[in-house]
Amino acid sequence: AQTVTQSQPEMSVQEAETVTLSCTYDTSESDYYLFWYKQPPSRQMILVIRQEAYKQQNATENRFSVNFQKAAKSFSLKISDSQLGDAAMYFCAYRSGADAGGTSYGKLTFGQGTILTVHP
Amino acid sequence: NAGVMQNPRHLVRRRGQEARLRCSPMKGHSHVYWYRQLPEEGLKFMVYLQKENIIDESGMPKERFSAEFPKEGPSILRIQQVVRGDSAAYFCASSLEGGPGNTIYFGEGSWLTVV
Repeated sequence: AQTVTQSQPEMSVQEAETVTLSCTYDTSESDYYLFWYKQPPSRQMILVIRQEAYKQQNATENRFSVNFQKAAKSFSLKISDSQLGDAAMYFCAYRSGADAGGTSYGKLTFGQGTILTVHP
Repeated sequence: NAGVMQNPRHLVRRRGQEARLRCSPMKGHSHVYWYRQLPEEGLKFMVYLQKENIIDESGMPKERFSAEFPKEGPSILRIQQVVRGDSAAYFCASSLEGGPGNTIYFGEGSWLTVV
């Protein structure tokens, strides 16, 4: 079974600065997808960024980028030019890409989350 | 284009009662997923459904919990004889197709409180 670990329960950053959130995962699969979701105080889960394991290039979405180290099974999220609206709980998640008769596709495995505080 | 709609947003039930949570997927989406978030924890997968079929229920508790996604109407997560430990946020999500490359979109969650 896959596991996802976020070792930082809380992080803080000054507005306009850069912060990196860590995530490691454990899997025996070679084909998979990784995600970062944001959960603001409204509690809605919002997709921030995704990475396909077969792509070597790190994904970027505006101020958000990842550092994907497949061999190390590491998937960190970098937030540049932090804004007050970035304050939220951030979850790292894993999704199998293997064809297991379709049953594995729906299962996102989430980490425990990292609470990000942004100071003005 | 409405997102994933869940209702009720908040539900209070007494121990032993039944809770029904509804989810309307995004327009055109035929794949629905239910997740549960206990306080201070990440989301845990419960069940994956396609119209009229349960594809993966490996995360569903063996008793008291059931889910359906009928041909017409919303998906329903049903919890019978609720207990205090069922108090949690229940998130529904949907995707256009079932393949792993398809983005899963989440609703805003339904908060169940058992008193």
